[in-house]
This record gives sequence, structure tokens and C-alpha cells, in this order.
Amino acid sequence: GNSVTQMEGPVTLSEEAFLTINCTYTATGYPSLFWYVQYPGEGLQLLLKATKADDKGSNKGFEATYRKETTSFHLEKGSVQVSDSAVYFCALFNDYKLSFGAGTTVTVRA
Amino acid sequence: ETGVTQSPTHLIKTRGQQVTLRCSSQSGHNTVSWYQQALGQGPQFIFQYYREEENGRGNFPPRFSGLQFPNYSSELNVNALELDDSALYLCASSLEVAGDGTGELFFGEGSRLTVL
Repeated sequence: GNSVTQMEGPVTLSEEAFLTINCTYTATGYPSLFWYVQYPGEGLQLLLKATKADDKGSNKGFEATYRKETTSFHLEKGSVQVSDSAVYFCALFNDYKLSFGAGTTVTVRA
Repeated sequence: ETGVTQSPTHLIKTRGQQVTLRCSSQSGHNTVSWYQQALGQGPQFIFQYYREEENGRGNFPPRFSGLQFPNYSSELNVNALELDDSALYLCASSLEVAGDGTGELFFGEGSRLTVL
């Protein structure tokens, strides 16, 4: 079956710190991979995506590379801001549905 | 272009009652999926509707049912509510079953259900 495992939180950082959230997956075939973000009181928003091996998704300073050999899709940002405080979900699309990780809560302090 | 809208945003029910949640998909989208997000967890797939037919179902009992209408809006119905049904219910729409071919879904802000 399909499953996603992501780094447990919560993660607390200072502004301008480097952020990494690890994500690994198990799936049959070649799924598309996603990072979604959920800001307080809001719904899920797509942050970035990658559809095949070695693709790099990027948006708002965040990046993640689809690594087939390690079945990973780690999220990184070089310099976080207070506005990046949110819950981040790694997900894969396979068998017509998204399978999500449990989410990682990130808090950035000024 | 309007996004995915859901109603109601919040509601409180008691155990054993029934609830209907509604979703209007993004303009031009013909596929709707429903997800349940329990507190502190990632969303779990409930089912998907494509052209008014259920197109796939996750590990949820039959008391979770749905409908899709000719205008592609959708309802999620839950009968005989249990305490564990308390969650945020998310609706997502896409054009065709696999989104733009990659699986990208567009989510609404959700309906938060509390069962007492």
C-alpha cells in the first residue's frame, strides 16, 4: 500500500534559520509527491510538487527533490520567516488519491 | 474563478445523529474527493466522485456516503455519528480523476464537526 512518514514535530526555529523536514514514502509504481501547508485556521494549500524522479519542486523559497533511490522528498528552506509558521504535510498521489503524512508543526520565532 | 467552498464551517452534533456537509468544486472541475482530518493527524481519504459516480473509497464504513450533482457540487453524509467522527472534513476538487495528470487537488477550508 501507499504510506508517507514524515519527521515528527513540533519544530521551533528562530527567524532566518535553516529548515529541513524529512519525508519518506512507500508506494507502488511512480507516484507524484507533494508538500501541502496548513496555516492556522485555514485549509490545505499546495506548497510544491514533483511528478518524477530527480524533479525539484520549489515555491516561496521552499525546495524538495524527488529521490527515487531513497524514496524521499525532504522539504528545505534556507531562511525561514515568522510567516512560515504552519503545519506542513508531505503527500503522495497514487491510485487516484492522496496519502498524507501526519504533519509537522513548525513555529518560527522572531 | 472561484475556489472550493464548503459549508457549514463549524457544527456540533450529538452521538447517533446524522450530518450533511456540502462542497462546491472549483469552476471547471468535475472530480470531488473528501478527506477526514482528525486533530493532530494528516487527512485520510474517504471517497471520490467523478461524473456523479463513486470512483474510489478509503477505509471508512458505509455510514459515510456521498453524492455528486450534475453541477459537480457534492455532499458528504454521515449517519449514526460516533464521538470519533469529530474531525475537520476537507473537500478537494480536480479536473479529471488525476488532476492535471499529476494528482494536484484544490482543497476547501473544511467543515469542522464536533460530536458530543
